[in-house]
Amino acid sequence: DAGVTQSPTHLIKTRGQQVTLRCSPKSGHDTVSWYQQALGQGPQFIFQYYEEEERQRGNFPDRFSGHQFPNYSSELNVNALLLGDSALYLCASSLGLGSTYEQYFGPGTRLTVT
Amino acid sequence: AQSVTQPDIHITVSEGASLELRCNYSYGATPYLFWYVQSPGQGLQLLLKYFSGDTLVQGIKGFEAEFKRSQSSFNLRKPSVHWSDAAEYFCAVGATSNTGKLIFGQGTTLQVKP
Repeated sequence: DAGVTQSPTHLIKTRGQQVTLRCSPKSGHDTVSWYQQALGQGPQFIFQYYEEEERQRGNFPDRFSGHQFPNYSSELNVNALLLGDSALYLCASSLGLGSTYEQYFGPGTRLTVT
Repeated sequence: AQSVTQPDIHITVSEGASLELRCNYSYGATPYLFWYVQSPGQGLQLLLKYFSGDTLVQGIKGFEAEFKRSQSSFNLRKPSVHWSDAAEYFCAVGATSNTGKLIFGQGTTLQVKP
């Protein structure tokens, strides 16, 4: 049973560019959340997708957008990259929306903006 | 606003010694509380969680945590640390409403001396 997978593992982009990160949830899970983890910090909630809709959003600008597909996989898009967007981006999946549902995290995508 | 504080950024213990990692939270109602562990290059793994009931919860890998409402704390403990426990530990709080948003502390890096 595959866990949460993310691609790519590492990515280097230039300021102003756009990036797309991908996440496949654990088998049977229908909810995907995205987190940003800056170096030396705890993960920060970006948004959560359920039934192909964004259900909740953290304190991130509109440059951050996402999508969930019918197979429950998800993408995170970041436009107009800033140096401060350099971070580990974590995807978490769960069966259901609430906090009582255990979230399984993927290994993350390390984004470096130069 | 909800928040989580982990007062100790870095802790070093000797192998075989006991461990306690501190976590304080700020939340209006009874929160859902979690401890996660992150090894280098890996995603977060859930160690244990508290939703309600017995305030002493047991987790994986020999960890336990105690919820103390009066102190707004949820400290993680282990009676005897193994070298493989060296990692980053995150305390998190989840809302009791129908959302999976987790708010993480800054994390505590655990180093284990042989």
